[in-house]
Amino acid sequence: QVQLVQSGAEVKKPGASVKVSCKASGYTFTGYYMHWVRQAPGQGLEWMGWINPNSGGTNYAQKFQGRVTMTRDTSISTAYMELSRLRSDDTAVYYCARDAGHQPRGNFDYWGQGTLVTVSS
Amino acid sequence: DIVMTQTPLSSPVTLGQPASISCRSSQSLVHSDGNTYLSWLQQRPGQPPRLLIYKISNRFSGVPDRFSGSGAGTDFTLKISRVEAEDVGVYYCMQATHLLTFGGGTKVEIK
Repeated sequence: QVQLVQSGAEVKKPGASVKVSCKASGYTFTGYYMHWVRQAPGQGLEWMGWINPNSGGTNYAQKFQGRVTMTRDTSISTAYMELSRLRSDDTAVYYCARDAGHQPRGNFDYWGQGTLVTVSS
Repeated sequence: DIVMTQTPLSSPVTLGQPASISCRSSQSLVHSDGNTYLSWLQQRPGQPPRLLIYKISNRFSGVPDRFSGSGAGTDFTLKISRVEAEDVGVYYCMQATHLLTFGGGTKVEIK
């Protein structure tokens, strides 16, 4: 069965970077786009970007351009999201989500369990 | 950037009664390929979101038929024909015509 298992919770200081992983299993990793979505405490959903695990191509939300890097390691079916220059308002649960479609149209059929990133001095 | 505006912010509903959520986009969501990439997601407390509806009105696998979507262009609606206890949560519209953007969410709760 399809599973997306994310890395554990992180606590970071302002200005640091965080790298969250999302290990996929139960399907061909390179066959589906992967998105990253975050949710601040008590707030709504915010799309961060996607990666094409086959080509490595990415597309980021303008808000995160220059601060986010999405990569993948196809040998271990894992996608990564790295966010740099962290601020307190980056405190959120970060989700990876698989796109069921052949294009990244937000057909999120599977989600990771979420990774809480806390930014605090 | 596309702005997605949902109303109401909160919707107290009696069990068995209908509920309706509106979503308006700041630009037309008709893609150059002719499709309109407007989806609805449900997030139950403490869980990741779940896709309910894609391309305005297509129910995702396993979604009960009491959920339906409609609309066109910039105005869209999610309807729950008879609210059940398990429907409590926050509902988000999302556009994927111009990259991706979520609406602010509508909380559905039982009266």
